[in-house]
Amino acid sequence: ETGVTQTPRHLVMGMTNKKSLKCEQHLGHNAMYWYKQSAKKPLELMFVYSLEERVENNSVPSRFSPECPNSSHLFLHLHTLQPEDSALYLCASSQYSGQETQYFGPGTRLLVL
Amino acid sequence: GDSVTQMEGPVTLSEEAFLTINCTYTATGYPSLFWYVQYPGEGLQLLLKATKADDKGSNKGFEATYRKETTSFHLEKGSVQVSDSAVYFCAVIDYKLSFGAGTTVTVRA
Repeated sequence: ETGVTQTPRHLVMGMTNKKSLKCEQHLGHNAMYWYKQSAKKPLELMFVYSLEERVENNSVPSRFSPECPNSSHLFLHLHTLQPEDSALYLCASSQYSGQETQYFGPGTRLLVL
Repeated sequence: GDSVTQMEGPVTLSEEAFLTINCTYTATGYPSLFWYVQYPGEGLQLLLKATKADDKGSNKGFEATYRKETTSFHLEKGSVQVSDSAVYFCAVIDYKLSFGAGTTVTVRA
């Protein structure tokens, strides 16, 4: 049973929609991450939050907007996405950012039509 | 920056066969090394890890030894089962986590 949960597990949206992905960790960690997993590409780190502050943004388009209201919750707000944004979006957490082990949620499978 | 090179798949095996997935890394410091597994339709699960040279990580019959001299962290299992069918990712963390491309393993009954 994972200590990191993500909702929804599946999402279909049109290019003009606005939706949000939610991640919650029950591990008492202080760092949270968003990754994108596309077919036949390595996992891409999108954002890193440490103690609720964004510490890394890997040149992610502005149509992806993260939010970390507290150390247990992480959101990814989506608007005007493109079909190439269809992917599995994975959330992870660790005790602190840096060399700590990251624990992943089950992911949200996103399809943009 | 850090990078990870792992054996390309797919790999298809029969039950009880021996599995090896090669992984080598480059890193500037003294990284921690990980193997993650992704079962169909699921997220990544930590399989095992090693934090310093000569450490051996093990879990569910899988093993990997941190070899600093060869910068390798090869994954092995002596007798695979159908339930081991998954994608396996080698990863290295120095200041951030970098993943290999993943190796798809299919075990046939």
